[in-house]
Amino acid sequence: NAGVTQTPKFRILKIGQSMTLQCAQDMNHNYMYWYRQDPGMGLKLIYYSVGAGITDKGEVPNGYNVSRSTTEDFPLRLELAAPSQTSVYFCASRGGGLTISYNEQFFGPGTRLTVL
Amino acid sequence: GENVEQHPSTLSVQEGDSAVIKCTYSDSASNYFPWYKQELGKRPQLIIDIRSNVGEKKDQRIAVTLNKTAKHFSLHITETQPEDSAVYFCAAIRGGADGLTFGKGTHLIIQP
Repeated sequence: NAGVTQTPKFRILKIGQSMTLQCAQDMNHNYMYWYRQDPGMGLKLIYYSVGAGITDKGEVPNGYNVSRSTTEDFPLRLELAAPSQTSVYFCASRGGGLTISYNEQFFGPGTRLTVL
Repeated sequence: GENVEQHPSTLSVQEGDSAVIKCTYSDSASNYFPWYKQELGKRPQLIIDIRSNVGEKKDQRIAVTLNKTAKHFSLHITETQPEDSAVYFCAAIRGGADGLTFGKGTHLIIQP
């Protein structure tokens, strides 16, 4: 199993540009998450999904959009990049059902994004 | 929503000594508390976790304690080694589909 994979590893954007961060998992997990990590800080939840076709906002969703058309993929879209979106983005997934929150979340390697 | 406070932000200990990192949470409905280790430029890696129906859990040199009444939990690392140097994050989750709420992290430095 490759686990959780993310592309690209690094990206530099200009203000106002758009891009999609890709995330895929091959563990057949229903739950997938997007977090951002600013320098010297903990991770903050952007969006999450409980299965194909179902997504919901986390703590810091402004400026982002997500979709979940398949169990495997959970892309994150930035429409109008701003310097405040400079961060490291981590995708994660976990198995288990709705009542089982204590299953481990597996993280991808991250995407380092700089907006200039 | 949930709020997790973590202390200290930096902890320097001599190799072989013990290290303790403390976290508090605000939401009494939180029921799962993982600890992650993150090395520079890497992804967070789960090192130990504890559920709300357990007071203490140990895995070799690492242990976690949970006090539900006081809403705090702690990470204990004994016989610290150079490879323990990293940033450690505590987290909490309420349940259901919720994502994790993280503390701000503790930079653990092991002095030779």
